[in-house]
Amino acid sequence: DAKTTQPPSMDCAEGRAANLPCNHSTISGNEYVYWYRQIHSQGPQYIIHGLKNNETNEMASLIITEDRKSSTLILPHATLRDTAVYYCIVSPPTAGGTSYGKLTFGQGTILTVHP
Amino acid sequence: DVKVTQSSRYLVKRTGEKVFLECVQDMDHENMFWYRQDPGLGLRLIYFSYDVKMKEKGDIPEGYSVSREKKERFSLILESASTNQTSMYLCASSLLVTEAFFGQGTRLTVV
Repeated sequence: DAKTTQPPSMDCAEGRAANLPCNHSTISGNEYVYWYRQIHSQGPQYIIHGLKNNETNEMASLIITEDRKSSTLILPHATLRDTAVYYCIVSPPTAGGTSYGKLTFGQGTILTVHP
Repeated sequence: DVKVTQSSRYLVKRTGEKVFLECVQDMDHENMFWYRQDPGLGLRLIYFSYDVKMKEKGDIPEGYSVSREKKERFSLILESASTNQTSMYLCASSLLVTEAFFGQGTRLTVV
């Protein structure tokens, strides 16, 4: 499975955009990039995923570089409730694979949003 | 909304006891997972199941077993609980290879 590298921690001011980077230089052509977050004392929560193109939903935007070796999760207007651990995960291959959607979590980035 | 419900939020058991952690999902998902989460080690996959009565070992299956008799329910069993199994246990479900939905977690303490 491809591995990811994230900074251990980041800070962001409330109301500003939070840009969380992730490196996945060994990603395979059919592997997706997933982002989850875990707020203290809760289970992880899905945020967004993508393959090649940039993606946006009501929570965040995902920017994937053209070579797919890195990506950035953008929270456009961070709030105090966005303080959490953010995990970037590269999914195992799906075509003919038997991964069944297993997710391998790394250490993630602790994002602290301050007033 | 998808709901993944774990039977207990907090549990205290004695060493050597047989412990059952139950997980139920209400969205007819094929896949279900059990993770444990420990400080400094992150989330680690214990077992997963991709269909009724089917199971696969994850990264740390030793000391655990699972049961999936019905599609909506996935049970994690500690045959003889030990203190090193004190942890936060998280259940998840997913449809094929899409986003996973997690329960709130069970904090198990083995004394």
